[in-house]
Amino acid sequence: DAKTTQPNSMESNEEEPVHLPCNHSTISGTDYIHWYRQLPSQGPEYVIHGLTSNVNNRMASLAIAEDRKSSTLILHRATLRDAAVYYCILRPIGSSNTGKLIFGQGTTLQVKP
Amino acid sequence: DAGVIQSPRHEVTEMGQEVTLRCKPISGHNSLFWYRQTMMRGLELLIYFNNNVPIDDSGMPEDRFSAKMPNASFSTLKIQPSEPRDSAVYFCASSLSPQLAGSNEQFFGPGTRLTVL
Repeated sequence: DAKTTQPNSMESNEEEPVHLPCNHSTISGTDYIHWYRQLPSQGPEYVIHGLTSNVNNRMASLAIAEDRKSSTLILHRATLRDAAVYYCILRPIGSSNTGKLIFGQGTTLQVKP
Repeated sequence: DAGVIQSPRHEVTEMGQEVTLRCKPISGHNSLFWYRQTMMRGLELLIYFNNNVPIDDSGMPEDRFSAKMPNASFSTLKIQPSEPRDSAVYFCASSLSPQLAGSNEQFFGPGTRLTVL
């Protein structure tokens, strides 16, 4: 499985945008980029995913580099509730997709009031 | 939908005892995953099922661990005998079949916090 690299921790101020980077230089052409987050004392939850184009949903935006070797999860206005560990995960599409999620260490986001 | 349901939420047991963790996936989901989370090793996939059949159990630490899925709405993870190093939070997750759905978003339960004394 292709590997992802994320900073161990980041800080943000409440109501400011947050850009969480992820490097995946060995990404395959058939890998989706997924983001999950884990709030304190909870199970992980899905945030967003993409393949090549930038994606937006109600939770966040995902910006994918043109060469797909990196991506950035964007929280447009951080709230205290966004303090969590954010995981960037690669998953293959098609018949190679077993559904497995391989979690790295993720980025711990602290949001200051 | 109630989401993925796990029981018990907390379990404290003594070394050598048998422990059974339970999971009810979201109705209609046909893939089920068991994960373990510790401070040292992070989140690890233990085993997953597709249509009630175990597909990959390479993450199961040793023979003391076993998992079953007798039907589409129930799965168990059993540890026998338990050891202090098994102390962790165990998560169950479910999703639609990877071959059928594009995103395969996984929905996680609240976890079972296991403490083995």
